[in-house]
Amino acid sequence: GAVVSQHPSWVICKSGTSVKIECRSLDFQATTMFWYRQFPKQSLMLMATSNEGSKATYEQGVEKDKFLINHASLTLSTLTVTSAHPEDSSFYICSGIELLAKNIQYFGAGTRLSVL
Amino acid sequence: AQSVSQHNHHVILSEAASLELGCNYSYGGTVNLFWYVQYPGQHLQLLLKYFSGDPLVKGIKGFEAEFIKSKFSFNLRKPSVQWSDTAEYFCAVTLTGGGNKLTFGTGTQLKVEL
Repeated sequence: GAVVSQHPSWVICKSGTSVKIECRSLDFQATTMFWYRQFPKQSLMLMATSNEGSKATYEQGVEKDKFLINHASLTLSTLTVTSAHPEDSSFYICSGIELLAKNIQYFGAGTRLSVL
Repeated sequence: AQSVSQHNHHVILSEAASLELGCNYSYGGTVNLFWYVQYPGQHLQLLLKYFSGDPLVKGIKGFEAEFIKSKFSFNLRKPSVQWSDTAEYFCAVTLTGGGNKLTFGTGTQLKVEL
């Protein structure tokens, strides 16, 4: 099956710094990528949808200036958490949809962000 | 807004027991339905999906699910679980014409004991 690589898998940062998370589709072209956030013992909540070459669409309640998303190519999307605070600590997961399989999302393994 | 409910948050079974995990969604339109599995330390993997046609769908690893439109349900079943089925299971829905946005249930943690 299609593979999505997410990096880093775990990051610890100081409050006020910015953190970039990469999401790469390794063996397919992802026209659309999604970013989710998962709180402990809760489900995945969609943060934003990004289409290659265009601005991301954010879900209600998600600050676009805080969570910067860039989808510059068909195989790479990045999420930058700007000026991170402890409340941003969470598990962030990305997924990609293959061009020819538009209804199926392939997920990365996630990034655990801890903000001190 | 659409929502997905998984009523069993934690399930503990012995090997060879039968499994049924409940999933209900609230939306009146046309939906696509998915079950994903997340093994410890691994990424979400697709178990099975329903788009249209036969409401009984078979997935990988012996899992199946039945779409019952009148009940807004898409329950996951397996006749005989194995220890290796220990994982977290998520039901998810997309709306036809909804841009492939997945709405997930809260997940069910399954533990299979030897």
